[in-house]
Amino acid sequence: NAGVTQTPKFQVLKTGQSMTLQCAQDMNHEYMSWYRQDPGMGLRLIHYSVGAGITDQGEVPNGYNVSRSTTEDFPLRLLSAAPSQTSVYFCASIPGPNQETQYFGPGTRLLVL
Amino acid sequence: RKEVEQDPGPFNVPEGATVAFNCTYSNSASQSFFWYRQDCRKEPKLLMSVYSSGNEDGRFTAQLNRASQYISLLIRDSKLSDSATYLCVVNRQAGNNRKLIWGLGTSLAVNP
Repeated sequence: NAGVTQTPKFQVLKTGQSMTLQCAQDMNHEYMSWYRQDPGMGLRLIHYSVGAGITDQGEVPNGYNVSRSTTEDFPLRLLSAAPSQTSVYFCASIPGPNQETQYFGPGTRLLVL
Repeated sequence: RKEVEQDPGPFNVPEGATVAFNCTYSNSASQSFFWYRQDCRKEPKLLMSVYSSGNEDGRFTAQLNRASQYISLLIRDSKLSDSATYLCVVNRQAGNNRKLIWGLGTSLAVNP
């Protein structure tokens, strides 16, 4: 099993550009989440999904969209990148609703100029 | 005041030392607790869950004190490879859902 994969590993964008961060898992987990991690802020939840076709907002959803058309994939879209979205983005896959264990992807480092 | 607080460190200890970290949480509705480890520029990985009765995994011991609202992580016989940031995570009920609250982490450097 590959676990949780994320692409790209690094990305530089200009303000106003859009892009999609890809996340895929092969563990057949129902729950998936997107986090961003910033110095002094810790991990903050952007969006999450409890199953295919179901998504919901987390703590910091503004400027991001998600969709979950399959169990495996959970892409995160930046609609119009802003410098405040410079961060490290982690996707996580969770076996069940109690969130007992989260399996993280390797992360995407995003710089918005 | 943050809902989950950790001493950021860094803790600098020699190999073989015993080191302990605490993490305090403010919401008494918190239900489950975890320690994650994050290496520099890598993703967090679950180190261990924290059970009410305390639990041990090799050199690592985790304890929960609900009365004082803190959890602890003890590392015995520290290895160079233990150098990392240790994240405290608290899972609490939020309406019909559960919410994970992440601490900012405690940095550990084990020196030869």
